[in-house]
Formats: sequence, structure tokens, C-alpha cells
Amino acid sequence: QVQLVESGGGVVQPGGSLRLSCAASGFTFSHWVRQAPGKGLQWVTVISYDGNNQFYAESVKGRFTISRDISKNTLYLQMNSLRAEDTAVYYCATHEFDFWGQGTLVTVSS
Amino acid sequence: DVVMSQSPPSLPVTLGQPASFSCRSSQSLVHGDGNTYLSWFQQRPGQSPRRLIYKVSNRDSGVPDRFSGSGSGTDFTLKISRVEAEDVGVYYCMQATHWPLYTFGQGTKLEIK
Repeated sequence: QVQLVESGGGVVQPGGSLRLSCAASGFTFSHWVRQAPGKGLQWVTVISYDGNNQFYAESVKGRFTISRDISKNTLYLQMNSLRAEDTAVYYCATHEFDFWGQGTLVTVSS
Repeated sequence: DVVMSQSPPSLPVTLGQPASFSCRSSQSLVHGDGNTYLSWFQQRPGQSPRRLIYKVSNRDSGVPDRFSGSGSGTDFTLKISRVEAEDVGVYYCMQATHWPLYTFGQGTKLEIK
């Protein structure tokens, strides 16, 4: 059974940091996608199959870092310099977007 | 950047009737390898997105055959032949042709009339 389980969300002050995790079973994960409250889906970042390349949406470039630990089957999203507009549910998804996690909520607020 | 535009924003449909969702891209979605990487996703209330269709017209495993995708170039359509109550939710198109920047449409909300 394919499973993706995100964790690490919470409330953080503007300018703060948070690290999200996505534990996976049995396949290659790649993307983080977010959804602000009541809004649509926004692609955030992707890591290549070999882990050597990462790409980011303009809105998070320089602030967010995607990485993975193959030995732990875990994908990460390090989020720094957080802003109110980063408030969203963050989903991890497989390379072809055919499987998604349940999402973890990040709230940036003072 | 490629912009994906969906219409209408909201689609009220009577149970058992057909529904049609439109998605247009600002650039052609034909990849150099000849494929068109346009997908459709369903997001039911309170749930994660679920992929329904990939490469324009290929249904994912477990997706009822009342869902179908079509289109080419910059103009794409998702159709539901007969809407059921479980189909309520928001439908998104997404392009992956112009990776590594992926773009979603803003979504169309399907509701029962």
C-alpha cells in the first residue's frame, strides 16, 4: 500500500523557521505542493530522482530547501524566513503526482 | 511562466447530468518528446487532491469511466458523463510539460444543483 505521511506543521512567528517531513513507503517522492486556506493548489518545489537537483517556485526561492534521506525514506522541506503568505496546508506528492499525503498545516502568525 | 486558466469558477450540475470543465494554457503543452503533460485532479471537501487523468486522456486506476479527458495544444477538457453526489469538489488541471516549473489552474468547483 502506497503511503505518504507529512508531519512538522504548526504555528510559527513571521521570520521563523520550520522543517516539514514526509515519510514514504515503496516509491520515489519528489514534490511539495501547498494550499492556502480557501485557495487553490500551488506547486512549491521538486527534487530530482537522483537527489542532485532541486527547483523552486519563485515565491519560495532562497527561503525554502527541499532534501531527502533515502535511508529513512523521508522527504524534507526546510522553511526559513517565513511570511504570513506561507500559511497553508503543505502536501508531499510523488514524482508523477499520482499519490499525495494528507497534508500538514503551517500557520505563520504573531 | 505558463499560466493555466480554468472555467467556469463554479459549476452547478443536476445529479445524473453531464459536466464539462475547461482548462487553457498560455503556451502549448506539447513536449519535445511528443507527449502532452496535462493532468486533472479532484479534491473532495476536506481531502487531499487525487489525480484522475494524466497525459490529457489517460484515466488513473480506480477512476470511474464516467470521467474522460480530451484536448490538445493549449485547450483541454474534463468531462463527467453523469454526475454523482460523490463527484462534488474542486477540479484542477496542471501542466508538467514545462518542468521544472509546474503550474495548476485555479480550479473549478463542482456543486449539485
